[in-house]
Parts: sequence; C-alpha cells; structure tokens
Amino acid sequence: DVKVTQSSRYLVKRTGEKVFLECVQDMDHENMFWYRQDPGLGLRLIYFSYDVKMKEKGDIPEGYSVSREKKERFSLILESASTNQTSMYLCASMGGAKNIQYFGAGTRLSVL
Amino acid sequence: AQTVTQSQPEMSVQEAETVTLSCTYDTSENNYYLFWYKQPPSRQMILVIRQEAYKQQNATENRFSVNFQKAAKSFSLKISDSQLGDTAMYFCAFKADFGNEKLTFGTGTRLTIIP
Repeated sequence: DVKVTQSSRYLVKRTGEKVFLECVQDMDHENMFWYRQDPGLGLRLIYFSYDVKMKEKGDIPEGYSVSREKKERFSLILESASTNQTSMYLCASMGGAKNIQYFGAGTRLSVL
Repeated sequence: AQTVTQSQPEMSVQEAETVTLSCTYDTSENNYYLFWYKQPPSRQMILVIRQEAYKQQNATENRFSVNFQKAAKSFSLKISDSQLGDTAMYFCAFKADFGNEKLTFGTGTRLTIIP
C-alpha cells in the first residue's frame, strides 16, 4: 500500500510566522502535490513537483513556496502566515501508468 | 483549461438504497482520465473508481459504478446498496492524458447515509 504521511494533523500558528508543512511518500513516486481544501471550493492545487528540485505553480501559489530536496519529501512553506491561509492542506503523490494520486491525511492549519 | 462541476452540494439517502452523484466536465482533450475520490469525515481521501476516456465500458468496483457519457461530458457515480460507511465527501476529478500531471477537482458532494 502506498503511504503518504503528513507531519501534523493539526497546527496553530500566529500571523507572520514562517510555517513548514512536511509530506513524505514511500512509493518512489516522481510526482508530488500540495492542495488546499476549503468548504465549497473543493481542492485547489498550490504547487506540484515532478522531480527532485523541480516544481511548478498550481492554481493558487501566491503566499506559498515549496521545497523538494529528496524524492520522497515535499515541503510546503508559508513564508509569513496570514489568517486567510487558515485551511486544510492535503499532500498527494502519484507515479506509474494508472495516474492515481494517493493522499495524506491532511493538516488542518489555523492562523490566528 | 478544464473545469469539473458537481451540482449537488449535499445528498442524503436511506441505508440500502441506491444513490447517484452527478459530475460534468469541460475539456477540449480527447484522451483523459476521470476519478471519483471519497473523503470520510476526519479521514484520508481515497480513490473510489477510475475511468479511462478511451474505454467505452463503464468502470465498476463492487457496489460502485459509473455512467460515463463522453459526448455529454458526464461522469456520474452510482452507489448501490448504500452503507453507513459510505457517508463522506465525494469529489469528481479530471486529468488530461498528456501534459502536466495535475488533477482538476469538482467542489464535492457531501453524502449522508441515513440508518
């Protein structure tokens, strides 16, 4: 079974803090993704990475950056957290011919 | 750009009944994949079913089946003999066969199975 692990289930941060969300996958997948999930908006892609050190902006990259130094790990960084970044963040990985994305359990981030 | 529309924000059905969740999409691509994902309350998102656009036969997985109408750009999910464990958010998603690897998601349907 594919395992995608997000480092925290719940996180509370203050406005202006630098926030790191970590994601690790154990299936040697090339592609990894960060989504933001908000009620009524579904999942929106923030960034994705198709290889180590490679990244592409998704639909809502503003206020976020990412890092992929190793194939199994993909980090989402909020350089200066703001209250409008309070949300559920989902990480996913994908590899192989079936084009299936496997998701982590999510991190619910509250920025106060 | 692709769009995915789920027009039913919430649905509820009695246990053991059949329910159909709707999804329409818009694309100019000819080859693509469609997915239904399930997100139970406070639990991980998992794949329910996957359809390849070039396959005419509708995908089935046990009690879950799809009605894929390529010309109408419609991809509905049917859940037969619904169970309490089917209570979840259901997301429809689209992926083009070529180009980047991103999924486009609909806004979701919250399904509640009533005992």
